[in-house]
Amino acid sequence: GAVVSQHPSRVICKSGTSVKIECRSLDFQATTMFWYRQFPKQSLMLMATSNEGSKATYEQGVEKDKFLINHASLTLSTLTVTSAHPEDSSFYICSANRDRDRYGYTFGSGTRLTVV
Amino acid sequence: AQSVAQPEDQVNVAEGNPLTVKCTYSVSGNPYLFWYVQYPNRGLQFLLKYITGDNLVKGSYGFEAEFNKSQTSFHLKKPSALVSDSALYFCAVRPPSYNTDKLIFGTGTRLQVFP
Repeated sequence: GAVVSQHPSRVICKSGTSVKIECRSLDFQATTMFWYRQFPKQSLMLMATSNEGSKATYEQGVEKDKFLINHASLTLSTLTVTSAHPEDSSFYICSANRDRDRYGYTFGSGTRLTVV
Repeated sequence: AQSVAQPEDQVNVAEGNPLTVKCTYSVSGNPYLFWYVQYPNRGLQFLLKYITGDNLVKGSYGFEAEFNKSQTSFHLKKPSALVSDSALYFCAVRPPSYNTDKLIFGTGTRLQVFP
């Protein structure tokens, strides 16, 4: 199969602190991973495309200094929410593509971030 | 602009009855189409996809979807709904013009199956 592990599943942090979310492809290598944000009762909004060994590609309107993405290996991408504020509270989901034609896109289980 | 529409916020169906969750798309060319299901506080689970070939696609948990090019639709169906099918369903498309693997998602449809 194609498994993507996302950690932590839930995190609560204080305003002004930074939070790191990890996304790992467990049984395949992923040169590209995707980070989405989901607001309550809304669809997924693509934030950025994480590229192994190079800079991430951010979607329009997403602050790259706010949401730092690092894709240091073929199995790990991290999203760091810097100087978090309550409006950053959301559900963050990563995805990776092992073999689109066979598996489709595989998603992590998501991270619920609450900034207090 | 390329987009995916799920016209129904919520679909209610009685257990044992057939269900349909609608999806239409607006992209140029022949897109890749996907359906995903999301349970509360969880990531998305892949249900099925259409890449090419037979217009009727069968997927996980007894779900199927029919690609209709003339109507630009990809409705999700199941002959007999289960209470456990209650969840949030997303239709997604990868336009052929994209040179990356990013997806465009619909707004989601909440399926409620009543006993």
